[in-house]
Amino acid sequence: GDSVTQMEGPVTLSEEAFLTINCTYTATGYPSLFWYVQYPGEGLQLLLKATKADDKGSNKGFEATYRKETTSFHLEKGSVQVSDSAVYFCALSAGEYGNKLVFGAGTILRVKS
Amino acid sequence: DADVTQTPRNRITKTGKRIMLECSQTKGHDRMYWYRQDPGLGLRLIYYSFDVKDINKGEISDGYSVSRQAQAKFSLSLESAIPNQTALYFCATSARPLAGYETQYFGPGTRLLVL
Repeated sequence: GDSVTQMEGPVTLSEEAFLTINCTYTATGYPSLFWYVQYPGEGLQLLLKATKADDKGSNKGFEATYRKETTSFHLEKGSVQVSDSAVYFCALSAGEYGNKLVFGAGTILRVKS
Repeated sequence: DADVTQTPRNRITKTGKRIMLECSQTKGHDRMYWYRQDPGLGLRLIYYSFDVKDINKGEISDGYSVSRQAQAKFSLSLESAIPNQTALYFCATSARPLAGYETQYFGPGTRLLVL
């Protein structure tokens, strides 16, 4: 079945460091891909998405490119801030019409000042 | 006011008790979902509903039931709670897709502890 694998955390970085969180997927068909972020004590928020191969999603300085050849959707940010500390989830759409989300396990990011 | 609300936010209950978690939304979406989050496992889909008369089981529906009382309300029940149902529960909503996929919007979560 469809699945998402993302790098284990926690990832601890200093402020202004470069961030990469790896995400790979297994899916039938052509899923849409997403990164969701969960700040402490809150629900999940959509961070960015890409709906087809080679699309780049971007938001708040974060980027991810849909790579069909490597089945990957790695999240990157050039300079992280303390306020980026959160749990990041990679997900894909599944099911008929892509209505259901399949999530990775989540990666905790901690940014130190 | 939040678009997707969940009550209660925290709940402690005992094994064997029946409990209900409630979700309400003001986004006017047709589709609603219940997920549970466990450390190291991400979110897993329990049930989903595409409209008031359409209820579907998700990946892990055993031990749970749902009720879609209205377009805006979707409740999750644990008929007889057990300790391994201790988790963080999220409700989500989405619009009916015109094409492809519609973004899901999540509530703040309910933290449930079953003793």
